[in-house]
Amino acid sequence: GAVVSQHPSRVICKSGTSVKIECRSLDFQATTMFWYRQFPKQSLMLMATSNEGSKATYEQGVEKDKFLINHASLTLSTLTVTSAHPEDSSFYICSARRTGGANEKLFFGSGTQLSVL
Amino acid sequence: GENVEQHPSTLSVQEGDSAVIKCTYSDSASNYFPWYKQELGKRPQLIIDIRSNVGEKKDQRIAVTLNKTAKHFSLHITETQPEDSAVYFCAASINYGGATNKLIFGTGTLLAVQP
Repeated sequence: GAVVSQHPSRVICKSGTSVKIECRSLDFQATTMFWYRQFPKQSLMLMATSNEGSKATYEQGVEKDKFLINHASLTLSTLTVTSAHPEDSSFYICSARRTGGANEKLFFGSGTQLSVL
Repeated sequence: GENVEQHPSTLSVQEGDSAVIKCTYSDSASNYFPWYKQELGKRPQLIIDIRSNVGEKKDQRIAVTLNKTAKHFSLHITETQPEDSAVYFCAASINYGGATNKLIFGTGTLLAVQP
């Protein structure tokens, strides 16, 4: 299957700092990527849709100035958590859409566990 | 927007028994329904999916059924094994011309297969 790489896998930072998470599609081009947030023992909550070359589309309740998304190339989307606070601690996971008609699928990155002290 | 409900939240079965997880969705325009398996701290893995033009799909011990009229779909795992233990998520999406829109996930089912 297709490979989606997410980095870093784990990050611990101080409150007030910014953290950047990268999501790369390694063997296919992804014009669209999605960013999710997952709290322990809960479901994946969609945060935003990242479109290559255009602004991201944020879900209701997600602060776009807090969670900056950049999709500058067909293989890379980044999520920056700005001025992180303890309540931002969570598991962040991206997915990339591999197009291909009837075989179109979504593939997930390995996730980033963010801990804000 | 789309809302996906999933039941049960936890399911414990004996090895060899079958497991069934059910989901309902709200948006009648949704036409793509994947199922993911997630082990602790790892990425969700697609195990099977179904599109609205079929009512059932099977892959070895795993099958999915879809009832468009009732807007519900189910995952069936037969001959369960301990390695099937994980959290399972259903999802729904609107797929236009082969391009899947955002996936909306169910709340998850923790499946425990007792040896």
